[in-house]
Amino acid sequence: AQSVTQLDSQVPVFEEAPVELRCNYSSSVSVYLFWYVQYPNQGLQLLLKYLSGSTLVKGINGFEAEFNKSQTSFHLRKPSVHISDTAEYFCAVTPSGGYNKLIFGAGTRLAVHP
Amino acid sequence: KAGVTQTPRYLIKTRGQQVTLSCSPISGHRSVSWYQQTPGQGLQFLFEYFSETQRNKGNFPGRFSGRQFSNSRSEMNVSTLELGDSALYLCASRFGTSAYNEQFFGPGTRLTVL
Repeated sequence: AQSVTQLDSQVPVFEEAPVELRCNYSSSVSVYLFWYVQYPNQGLQLLLKYLSGSTLVKGINGFEAEFNKSQTSFHLRKPSVHISDTAEYFCAVTPSGGYNKLIFGAGTRLAVHP
Repeated sequence: KAGVTQTPRYLIKTRGQQVTLSCSPISGHRSVSWYQQTPGQGLQFLFEYFSETQRNKGNFPGRFSGRQFSNSRSEMNVSTLELGDSALYLCASRFGTSAYNEQFFGPGTRLTVL
């Protein structure tokens, strides 16, 4: 079975500051990793994904994440945040084979202040 | 291309009633998954349908059921509603069922059970 831990439930940050949202996962099989963003009253939007290859993944809206297999982590980073980045961010994993569901972390609420 | 659409967007029901939610996937997508999102339990997988067949099922009671039609549209039904069924129900579609196929989420249906 797989599980995802998002280490921070809330992250406050000032506009134009850098931010890191932390995600650790547990799995006995190889997995694919994802970060999704959810704005108020909306569904989930994919920010980026790691399937294989380079461990540094770049996504939309200036976000990037680094896959670290030894530490089973997939932290999300942005060098300079905007007010519009205020949202809930979800880390998710899925086993790389078979008919598989997304397993989500509890989410991190990013609050960007002026 | 139009995104995933879900109807209705908001729904209020009373305990003991039943409800049907609808999801229209992106054109060409044959897989539809359903997720329940609550503040306490987070995002949990309900089931996935592909070519009118249920391919995967989460850990929910039998009161939760679904189906998929030949045009890939999907419905989920919840019978004998309980207060704890109040949640945002998200539908996601993807082209195939491989783990690397990106899931595209709809805006969700907000169900309130009184």
